[in-house]
Amino acid sequence: NAGVTQTPKFQVLKTGQSMTLQCAQDMNHNSMYWYRQDPGMGLRLIYYSASEGTTDKGEVPNGYNVSRLNKREFSLRLESAAPSQTSVYFCASSQGPGELFFGEGSRLTVL
Amino acid sequence: GEDVEQSLFLSVREGDSSVINCTYTDSSSTYLYWYKQEPGAGLQLLTYIFSNMDMKQDQRLTVLLNKKDKHLSLRIADTQTGDSAIYFCAERLTGTASKLTFGTGTRLQVTL
Repeated sequence: NAGVTQTPKFQVLKTGQSMTLQCAQDMNHNSMYWYRQDPGMGLRLIYYSASEGTTDKGEVPNGYNVSRLNKREFSLRLESAAPSQTSVYFCASSQGPGELFFGEGSRLTVL
Repeated sequence: GEDVEQSLFLSVREGDSSVINCTYTDSSSTYLYWYKQEPGAGLQLLTYIFSNMDMKQDQRLTVLLNKKDKHLSLRIADTQTGDSAIYFCAERLTGTASKLTFGTGTRLQVTL
């Protein structure tokens, strides 16, 4: 019962480096999401994918790109990391207008 | 616009009741949710309420919704140390599928 799996769990980058956060879900959900969590600001939506083949910007998309590779996988890419992108990133999935299931998070530090 | 606000911190004694409050601004919310986040983990859904309801009870949890004041609360009866976590309220607006807007989160500390 894996649910939503994110990798890596921890990553340290230097300013300007690129990286991709991977997310996979095994619940056959249509919708997938990337959120970032910062102290005092709650969770903010970066990008989401309502179904395979579609992606849409959320509240804070600047500096990020996403790929909905197939129904299971939704990746988040930072092309040129900045210290302001230091955060905890959460992937989530849902089936229609229902409960969101979250991964355990990926803690990213940009120096 | 979408804006969901919560107080940042609440401390209660074990056995007391906890009340976590949330205000939202968009009157077109359809569902309102409470999620729990334990240290080092993702969020898990605790309960939710449809916007045409004013109360929902689920074991030790009671959700109250005042739609006129756009105020949502979560009451935890007989609070235990295992309830220590961050609690997020979230709203889903009409026509936005499952795109949720989360509040800032309230850290609940339970003391002995």
